[in-house]
Amino acid sequence: AQSVTQLDSQVPVFEEAPVELRCNYSSSVSVYLFWYVQYPNQGLQLLLKYLSGSTLVKGINGFEAEFNKSQTSFHLRKPSVHISDTAEYFCAVSEKGSQGNLIFGKGTKLSVKP
Amino acid sequence: KAGVTQTPRYLIKTRGQQVTLSCSPISGHRSVSWYQQTPGQGLQFLFEYFSETQRNKGNFPGRFSGRQFSNSRSEMNVSTLELGDSALYLCASSLNTLFLNTGELFFGEGSRLTVL
Repeated sequence: AQSVTQLDSQVPVFEEAPVELRCNYSSSVSVYLFWYVQYPNQGLQLLLKYLSGSTLVKGINGFEAEFNKSQTSFHLRKPSVHISDTAEYFCAVSEKGSQGNLIFGKGTKLSVKP
Repeated sequence: KAGVTQTPRYLIKTRGQQVTLSCSPISGHRSVSWYQQTPGQGLQFLFEYFSETQRNKGNFPGRFSGRQFSNSRSEMNVSTLELGDSALYLCASSLNTLFLNTGELFFGEGSRLTVL
């Protein structure tokens, strides 16, 4: 069965510092991978997705993620964060050829301090 | 273009009662899926409806049910509420069924249920 592990539940960083949010997945088949962001009191919004092709994926708000098949990872990065990036970030996986529902990690709370 | 609308946004119920939550998807979207979000378990898939048919179901007891209408609006119902049902219930819509979709779900802001 597929599963997603987000290795850090909370990540505090200072404004303009780089950040990496880690995500590992487990699946016996090929997968699609996603990062979603949830701002306080809001629903989730898609940041970026990996379906196939280039392993480096660029998303909205300056975020990017790299798919590493050998390490079964899909870490999210941003070279310089802003206060407005404070939110909870969810990694999700969907198995190719399955019913298609997303399995989410438990989330990483990113807190950007001035 | 209006987003996904969920009502009510907040509600308080007592154990043993039942609750109905509503979700209006983005215009033109035919798939509606539901998730339960709690601090301990995170986001868990409840079920997906596409063209008024349940296409997929997560691992939840039969107290959790749903339906979809011909205009794609969806409702979910939880009967005989338990304290552990307190959660944020999120609805997400997409153009196609999740099986054909490539993961871009559009989420509503959720309905926060508190069970006392």
